[in-house]
Amino acid sequence: EDQVTQSPEALRLQEGESSSLNCSYTVSGLRGLFWYRQDPGKGPEFLFTLYSAGEEKEKERLKATLTKKESFLHITAPKPEDSATYLCAVHLGGGADGLTFGKGTHLIIQP
Amino acid sequence: NAGVTQTPKFRVLKTGQSMTLLCAQDMNHEYMYWYRQDPGMGLRLIHYSVGEGTTAKGEVPDGYNVSRLKKQNFLLGLESAAPSQTSVYFCASSSRGANTGELFFGEGSRLTVL
Repeated sequence: EDQVTQSPEALRLQEGESSSLNCSYTVSGLRGLFWYRQDPGKGPEFLFTLYSAGEEKEKERLKATLTKKESFLHITAPKPEDSATYLCAVHLGGGADGLTFGKGTHLIIQP
Repeated sequence: NAGVTQTPKFRVLKTGQSMTLLCAQDMNHEYMYWYRQDPGMGLRLIHYSVGEGTTAKGEVPDGYNVSRLKKQNFLLGLESAAPSQTSVYFCASSSRGANTGELFFGEGSRLTVL
């Protein structure tokens, strides 16, 4: 059973059209929820860490929020350079180090 | 500052051959990780290390071995490659571990096993 589920799998927006990406998780005792950006042919790049329900983090046109069951990545007035795959991850837990990732949302921003 | 460097970037193997992927980081990080990324599967943790001389199994360790003889290097070995190991492999490092979520990834090594 997936611990991290992201939706939608793909999203196509017009430049300037705001939207949100969803990440739901089923782990108990959350030890952090993390967002990454991955460009084609590159490794993931860290964006945000969220630890507590109600917490919010912002960076340029991106804002990440966390509830007890899910996280949202809000994209405001996106530009074509925001096109990428956005990955959500949670800590493995159980005494192991490392992150478990969702399958990602492939975002395309059309000019 | 190179960050995390993976070599080779591309490799084609025949079933049963062996090979080693090298990951080098110049950030003096304690923690290092090997992930594989497959279409429709997301990133999955193979092995990780919490410091020089240590290694531990991740989610999908079978068919792989690792070594961390030097702090800056983390090697991933395939003793007898199988087509199921065709994937893109990513190495990552972190100064304080996955609790912070801030992992620095390399650009990946694309492996094809025929």
